[in-house]
Amino acid sequence: DAEITQSPRHKITETGRQVTLACHQTWNHNNMFWYRQDLGHGLRLIHYSYGVQDTNKGEVSDGYSVSRSNTEDLPLTLESAASSQTSVYFCASSRDRVGTQYFGPGTRLLVL
Amino acid sequence: DQQVKQNSPSLSVQEGRISILNCDYTNSMFDYFLWYKKYPAEGPTFLISISSIKDKNEDGRFTVFLNKSAKHLSLHIVPSQPGDSAVYFCAASTSGSRLTFGEGTQLTVNP
Repeated sequence: DAEITQSPRHKITETGRQVTLACHQTWNHNNMFWYRQDLGHGLRLIHYSYGVQDTNKGEVSDGYSVSRSNTEDLPLTLESAASSQTSVYFCASSRDRVGTQYFGPGTRLLVL
Repeated sequence: DQQVKQNSPSLSVQEGRISILNCDYTNSMFDYFLWYKKYPAEGPTFLISISSIKDKNEDGRFTVFLNKSAKHLSLHIVPSQPGDSAVYFCAASTSGSRLTFGEGTQLTVNP
């Protein structure tokens, strides 16, 4: 069955370290998204991609970067982790630019 | 600027009764609305959607109502079941744009 996976599921890191969160989908969706979930804020868009070599900033993109070298993967990199980036991160993909997005199980990141 | 707001962080109902979750939005250009359900330690899953050309969409026990003049949508769950206990997010988009999510409402259905 097609799916979307994230790894690692849990990560503890120190401030200043570079961290990369992986996202892999097997639906062959062109559109992929990264969100963070924080209490009181819901899901906020970090970066998104509409296809290979396409990346765009979302509403909370500072301190994060993404790259899209193939259809299946959209890794999220925290260049220099900060305590404010402690959060739960969700990757999603969709067939259409607007409409139903399918989410991965999430990565819980703790920055000490 | 929170364009999609869910003003109730939590809601508790008895099994078998109706659950009504509410969502307000400020952007009149939004034309597509969705509800997602999220269980602990899992990603959100799509529940139901509605286009702005409709005012109601029904799928089994779940019905979404859209009141464009009030910029308000609601999700009705009838009858509520303990397995419905989850966080519910509403989301909205304009044609060609990304989804904007609300803060979420924790629904607890008591047996």
